[in-house]
Amino acid sequence: QLQLQESGPGLVKPSETLSLTCTVSGGSISSSSYYWGWIRQPPGKGLEWIGNIYYSGSTYYNPSLKSRVTISVDTSKNQFSLKVSSVTAADTAVYHCASVAAAVNAFDIWGQGTLVTVSS
Amino acid sequence: DIQMTQFPSSVSASVGDRVTITCRASQGISTWLAWYQQKPGKAPKLLIYAASSLQSGVPSRFSGSGSGTDLTLTISSLQPEDFATYYCQQANNFPWTFGQGTKVEIK
Repeated sequence: QLQLQESGPGLVKPSETLSLTCTVSGGSISSSSYYWGWIRQPPGKGLEWIGNIYYSGSTYYNPSLKSRVTISVDTSKNQFSLKVSSVTAADTAVYHCASVAAAVNAFDIWGQGTLVTVSS
Repeated sequence: DIQMTQFPSSVSASVGDRVTITCRASQGISTWLAWYQQKPGKAPKLLIYAASSLQSGVPSRFSGSGSGTDLTLTISSLQPEDFATYYCQQANNFPWTFGQGTKVEIK
Protein backbone atom coordinates (compact mmCIF):
# COMPACT_ATOMS: atom_id res chain seq x y z
CA GLN A 1 0.00 0.00 0.00
CA LEU A 2 1.40 3.35 -1.06
CA GLN A 3 2.27 5.75 1.77
CA LEU A 4 3.47 9.34 1.57
CA GLN A 5 5.21 11.45 4.21
CA GLU A 6 6.09 15.13 4.04
CA SER A 7 9.19 16.55 5.70
CA GLY A 8 10.84 19.94 5.93
CA PRO A 9 11.14 23.06 8.07
CA GLY A 10 8.06 24.21 9.92
CA LEU A 11 9.17 27.84 9.99
CA VAL A 12 10.41 29.90 7.06
CA LYS A 13 11.31 33.58 7.03
CA PRO A 14 9.62 36.02 4.65
CA SER A 15 11.34 36.33 1.25
CA GLU A 16 13.10 32.98 1.71
CA THR A 17 12.41 29.67 -0.05
CA LEU A 18 10.11 27.03 1.37
CA SER A 19 11.42 23.52 0.67
CA LEU A 20 9.50 20.31 1.38
CA THR A 21 10.13 16.68 0.51
CA CYS A 22 7.62 13.87 0.12
CA THR A 23 8.94 10.36 0.68
CA VAL A 24 7.03 7.60 -1.09
CA SER A 25 6.97 4.10 0.35
CA GLY A 26 5.19 0.96 -0.78
CA GLY A 27 5.71 1.72 -4.45
CA SER A 28 8.06 3.21 -7.01
CA ILE A 29 7.96 6.89 -7.78
CA SER A 30 8.98 5.98 -11.33
CA SER A 31 5.84 3.94 -11.93
CA SER A 32 3.76 5.03 -14.91
CA SER A 33 0.68 4.14 -12.87
CA TYR A 34 1.06 7.20 -10.67
CA TYR A 35 1.91 10.82 -10.74
CA TRP A 36 2.46 13.19 -7.89
CA GLY A 37 1.09 16.43 -6.56
CA TRP A 38 1.18 19.09 -3.89
CA ILE A 39 -1.84 20.74 -2.28
CA ARG A 40 -1.94 23.32 0.49
CA GLN A 41 -4.53 24.52 2.99
CA PRO A 42 -4.18 27.80 4.89
CA PRO A 43 -5.36 27.52 8.50
CA GLY A 44 -9.15 27.42 8.63
CA LYS A 45 -9.50 27.67 4.86
CA GLY A 46 -10.03 25.44 1.84
CA LEU A 47 -7.74 23.40 -0.38
CA GLU A 48 -5.51 24.90 -3.07
CA TRP A 49 -3.83 22.83 -5.77
CA ILE A 50 -0.16 23.77 -6.17
CA GLY A 51 1.03 21.50 -8.96
CA ASN A 52 1.64 18.02 -10.35
CA ILE A 53 4.62 16.18 -11.77
CA TYR A 54 4.25 13.26 -14.15
CA TYR A 55 6.49 10.25 -14.67
CA SER A 56 7.58 11.82 -17.96
CA GLY A 57 8.97 14.74 -15.97
CA SER A 58 6.28 17.13 -17.16
CA THR A 59 5.08 19.59 -14.57
CA TYR A 60 1.91 21.63 -14.25
CA TYR A 61 1.63 24.48 -11.78
CA ASN A 62 -1.10 26.71 -10.45
CA PRO A 63 -0.72 30.03 -12.32
CA SER A 64 -1.30 31.86 -9.05
CA LEU A 65 2.04 30.42 -7.86
CA LYS A 66 3.71 29.41 -11.10
CA SER A 67 6.62 31.81 -11.12
CA ARG A 68 7.59 30.83 -7.57
CA VAL A 69 7.03 27.07 -7.59
CA THR A 70 9.22 24.14 -8.61
CA ILE A 71 8.30 20.46 -8.25
CA SER A 72 10.92 17.82 -8.94
CA VAL A 73 11.50 14.10 -8.49
CA ASP A 74 14.50 12.25 -7.06
CA THR A 75 14.10 8.67 -8.25
CA SER A 76 17.19 7.49 -6.35
CA LYS A 77 15.52 8.40 -3.07
CA ASN A 78 11.91 7.67 -4.12
CA GLN A 79 11.04 11.25 -3.24
CA PHE A 80 9.54 14.31 -4.84
CA SER A 81 9.95 17.84 -3.63
CA LEU A 82 8.37 21.27 -3.59
CA LYS A 83 10.08 24.64 -3.56
CA VAL A 84 8.23 27.93 -3.19
CA SER A 85 10.41 31.01 -3.45
CA SER A 86 9.93 34.53 -2.07
CA VAL A 87 7.41 33.41 0.53
CA THR A 88 5.13 35.74 2.45
CA ALA A 89 2.71 35.23 5.32
CA ALA A 90 0.09 34.28 2.71
CA ASP A 91 2.07 31.08 2.08
CA THR A 92 1.47 29.90 5.65
CA ALA A 93 -0.46 26.65 5.27
CA VAL A 94 -0.56 22.92 5.82
CA TYR A 95 1.18 21.42 2.80
CA HIS A 96 0.12 17.97 1.62
CA CYS A 97 1.77 15.73 -0.91
CA ALA A 98 -0.43 13.24 -2.70
CA SER A 99 -0.42 10.58 -5.35
CA VAL A 100 -2.66 10.54 -8.40
CA ALA A 101 -3.44 7.11 -9.75
CA ALA A 102 -3.41 7.52 -13.52
CA ALA A 103 -6.57 5.45 -13.84
CA VAL A 104 -8.35 7.62 -11.28
CA ASN A 105 -7.07 11.13 -12.08
CA ALA A 106 -7.71 12.24 -8.51
CA PHE A 107 -5.62 12.47 -5.36
CA ASP A 108 -6.06 8.96 -4.01
CA ILE A 109 -3.35 8.77 -1.34
CA TRP A 110 -2.40 11.79 0.80
CA GLY A 111 0.41 12.50 3.18
CA GLN A 112 -0.66 13.63 6.65
CA GLY A 113 0.41 17.19 5.89
CA THR A 114 2.96 19.51 7.43
CA LEU A 115 2.33 23.02 8.73
CA VAL A 116 4.68 25.63 7.35
CA THR A 117 4.56 29.04 8.99
CA VAL A 118 6.10 32.07 7.31
CA SER A 119 7.27 34.48 9.97
CA SER A 120 10.34 36.41 10.95
CA ASP B 1 -9.51 28.86 -14.54
CA ILE B 2 -12.59 26.76 -13.86
CA GLN B 3 -14.40 27.98 -10.77
CA MET B 4 -16.05 25.33 -8.63
CA THR B 5 -18.95 26.50 -6.49
CA GLN B 6 -20.26 24.16 -3.84
CA PHE B 7 -23.60 24.50 -2.15
CA PRO B 8 -24.72 24.54 0.48
CA SER B 9 -21.65 25.83 2.30
CA SER B 10 -22.92 24.08 5.41
CA VAL B 11 -25.74 21.72 6.29
CA SER B 12 -27.13 20.56 9.61
CA ALA B 13 -28.44 17.03 9.49
CA SER B 14 -29.32 14.11 11.73
CA VAL B 15 -28.07 10.55 11.70
CA GLY B 16 -30.03 8.67 9.08
CA ASP B 17 -30.76 11.73 6.93
CA ARG B 18 -30.10 11.87 3.22
CA VAL B 19 -27.66 14.66 2.36
CA THR B 20 -26.94 16.05 -1.08
CA ILE B 21 -24.10 18.42 -1.91
CA THR B 22 -23.85 20.09 -5.29
CA CYS B 23 -20.78 21.31 -7.12
CA ARG B 24 -21.28 23.71 -10.03
CA ALA B 25 -18.46 24.29 -12.49
CA SER B 26 -18.06 27.57 -14.34
CA GLN B 27 -17.66 25.56 -17.54
CA GLY B 28 -18.24 21.95 -18.52
CA ILE B 29 -15.92 19.41 -16.94
CA SER B 30 -17.47 16.23 -18.35
CA THR B 31 -17.11 13.75 -15.48
CA TRP B 32 -13.66 14.83 -14.36
CA LEU B 33 -14.71 15.42 -10.78
CA ALA B 34 -13.62 13.99 -7.45
CA TRP B 35 -15.14 14.28 -4.00
CA TYR B 36 -13.13 14.27 -0.77
CA GLN B 37 -14.01 14.08 2.91
CA GLN B 38 -11.88 15.91 5.45
CA LYS B 39 -12.06 15.67 9.22
CA PRO B 40 -10.38 18.24 11.50
CA GLY B 41 -6.62 17.87 11.61
CA LYS B 42 -6.62 15.11 9.01
CA ALA B 43 -5.74 14.85 5.36
CA PRO B 44 -8.59 14.71 2.87
CA LYS B 45 -9.82 11.26 1.88
CA LEU B 46 -10.90 10.41 -1.65
CA LEU B 47 -14.52 9.22 -1.79
CA ILE B 48 -15.56 9.45 -5.43
CA TYR B 49 -13.63 9.89 -8.67
CA ALA B 50 -14.75 10.34 -12.26
CA ALA B 51 -17.97 11.85 -10.88
CA SER B 52 -19.57 8.54 -9.91
CA SER B 53 -16.90 5.89 -9.25
CA LEU B 54 -16.65 4.81 -5.63
CA GLN B 55 -13.10 4.67 -4.32
CA SER B 56 -12.13 1.29 -2.90
CA GLY B 57 -13.08 0.90 0.75
CA VAL B 58 -15.59 3.77 0.78
CA PRO B 59 -19.07 2.81 2.07
CA SER B 60 -21.78 2.44 -0.55
CA ARG B 61 -23.95 5.09 1.14
CA PHE B 62 -21.76 7.60 -0.70
CA SER B 63 -22.59 8.15 -4.34
CA GLY B 64 -21.83 10.72 -7.01
CA SER B 65 -23.70 11.74 -10.10
CA GLY B 66 -23.88 14.29 -12.85
CA SER B 67 -21.71 15.55 -15.66
CA GLY B 68 -20.94 18.82 -17.36
CA THR B 69 -21.46 21.70 -14.98
CA ASP B 70 -23.67 20.32 -12.18
CA LEU B 71 -22.47 17.35 -10.17
CA THR B 72 -23.66 16.00 -6.85
CA LEU B 73 -22.49 13.95 -3.91
CA THR B 74 -25.18 12.10 -1.98
CA ILE B 75 -24.92 10.43 1.39
CA SER B 76 -27.94 8.15 1.51
CA SER B 77 -28.11 7.63 5.28
CA LEU B 78 -25.83 9.87 7.32
CA GLN B 79 -23.73 8.08 9.91
CA PRO B 80 -21.96 9.63 12.94
CA GLU B 81 -18.57 9.26 11.27
CA ASP B 82 -19.75 11.25 8.24
CA PHE B 83 -19.77 14.61 10.03
CA ALA B 84 -16.94 16.37 8.23
CA THR B 85 -16.17 18.86 5.48
CA TYR B 86 -16.58 17.74 1.87
CA TYR B 87 -14.74 19.17 -1.13
CA CYS B 88 -15.17 18.71 -4.84
CA GLN B 89 -12.24 19.02 -7.24
CA GLN B 90 -12.20 19.22 -11.02
CA ALA B 91 -9.48 17.55 -13.10
CA ASN B 92 -10.78 18.51 -16.54
CA ASN B 93 -8.40 21.42 -17.04
CA PHE B 94 -5.29 22.79 -15.42
CA PRO B 95 -5.21 24.43 -12.96
CA TRP B 96 -7.07 21.79 -10.99
CA THR B 97 -9.46 23.60 -8.69
CA PHE B 98 -11.39 22.75 -5.56
CA GLY B 99 -14.75 23.88 -4.34
CA GLN B 100 -14.81 25.93 -1.16
CA GLY B 101 -16.11 23.05 0.92
CA THR B 102 -19.38 21.99 2.56
CA LYS B 103 -19.43 21.38 6.29
CA VAL B 104 -21.84 18.68 7.40
CA GLU B 105 -22.77 19.31 11.01
CA ILE B 106 -24.84 17.50 13.59
CA LYS B 107 -28.39 18.82 13.93
